[in-house]
Amino acid sequence: DTGVSQDPRHKITKRGQNVTFRCDPISEHNRLYWYRQTLGQGPEFLTYFQNEAQLEKSRLLSDRFSAERPKGSFSTLEIQRTEQGDSAMYLCASSFSGGSGNTIYFGEGSWLTVV
Amino acid sequence: DAKTTQPPSMDCAEGRAANLPCNHSTISGNEYVYWYRQIHSQGPQYIIHGLKNNETNEMASLIITEDRKSSTLILPHATLRDTAVYYCIVRVDYTGNQFYFGTGTSLTVIP
Repeated sequence: DTGVSQDPRHKITKRGQNVTFRCDPISEHNRLYWYRQTLGQGPEFLTYFQNEAQLEKSRLLSDRFSAERPKGSFSTLEIQRTEQGDSAMYLCASSFSGGSGNTIYFGEGSWLTVV
Repeated sequence: DAKTTQPPSMDCAEGRAANLPCNHSTISGNEYVYWYRQIHSQGPQYIIHGLKNNETNEMASLIITEDRKSSTLILPHATLRDTAVYYCIVRVDYTGNQFYFGTGTSLTVIP
């Protein structure tokens, strides 16, 4: 499968613990995005990278959230001191900025439940 | 990015064409119309996009009005597997800017 891969798919954690999600984008895609989605809502943008540079962050990305893409390939999203309000699906997406289009392709998401 | 307006829900009989409307009256000249769908508990799936001409691919057709203020996604022969939430998004294609999703249209295909 050459699509966007996310790991783990499901995570249950206790409030106050740290969690980390990993995203492997489609090969050769230089842009990588993180979104968050809660029940009944559309995905909300968190941040995006072009290669290893983090170019934009939403105000939704509090100080407890940090994302990295150290070598311009895979990315991690860490949430520190989790709160119940962090329970959501975290979506990763990627795209290629060259060529005639910039279609964004999404992974299957990582579900987080904070108890 | 321009905002979009979609009906919250629609039904369609299996085997019939599903026509999903989207209003984007503030769209700019360089903004594309994108359609994605999301089946329960899965990530959004790209369907189709266009600028001003009508587009067709193996999944769907996209009809954009001449003034570009609205568009319609057409699923020619809806199946039960097409039951999903459909999102209409407008954005400038060549930037790295993110998509802004609304709440979409929940399409239910009825047997």
